[in-house]
Amino acid sequence: NAGVTQTPKFQVLKTGQSMTLQCAQDMNHEYMSWYRQDPGMGLRLIHYSVGAGITDQGEVPNGYNVSRSTTEDFPLRLLSAAPSQTSVYFCASSPYLAGIDTGELFFGEGSRLTVL
Amino acid sequence: GIQVEQSPPDLILQEGANSTLRCNFSDSVNNLQWFHQNPWGQLINLFYIPSGTKQNGRLSATTVATERYSLLYISSSQTTDSGVYFCAASGAGSYQLTFGKGTKLSVIP
Repeated sequence: NAGVTQTPKFQVLKTGQSMTLQCAQDMNHEYMSWYRQDPGMGLRLIHYSVGAGITDQGEVPNGYNVSRSTTEDFPLRLLSAAPSQTSVYFCASSPYLAGIDTGELFFGEGSRLTVL
Repeated sequence: GIQVEQSPPDLILQEGANSTLRCNFSDSVNNLQWFHQNPWGQLINLFYIPSGTKQNGRLSATTVATERYSLLYISSSQTTDSGVYFCAASGAGSYQLTFGKGTKLSVIP
């Protein structure tokens, strides 16, 4: 089992460029989410999804887009990158106990993004 | 949304010492987890513990939901325990897990 796989692991962008961070999980988890981690800030939730076709905003959604066309994949799109989006991005998934809570969260290895 | 506060922010231990990390949360929770981020940046699940007590080797955790706190105990610390420990929680009816800012643990030989 690969678990949660993120690509790329490192990326450098110029201001205004667009890109997609890929996230895939092979655990048949319903819940998937994206976090960003900045020094001294802990992890902050960007977007999350409780199943295919369902997405919602987290704490810091501005500048990011997501979609969930399959259970396995949850890509994060930066439409016009800004230096403030320089961060480490983590994708996570969990079994999602419908109506109860998200369940135990499992993280990918992270993607380090630098925007110049 | 729910607020999560961790203490202490930094902790330095001699190898073999014991420690207690604390997580306070502002509302009732339906999900509480502890994670360890190692020096390479990997986030590893330690405990899923919205209430009660669990143990895994030298680590154990207790959540007292009625008093809105959770504790992570590390006994006989090793240098490999170094890193940042995060607590994360979500409130009833929410699917947004909120993280604290972490406790940075350094275990010195």
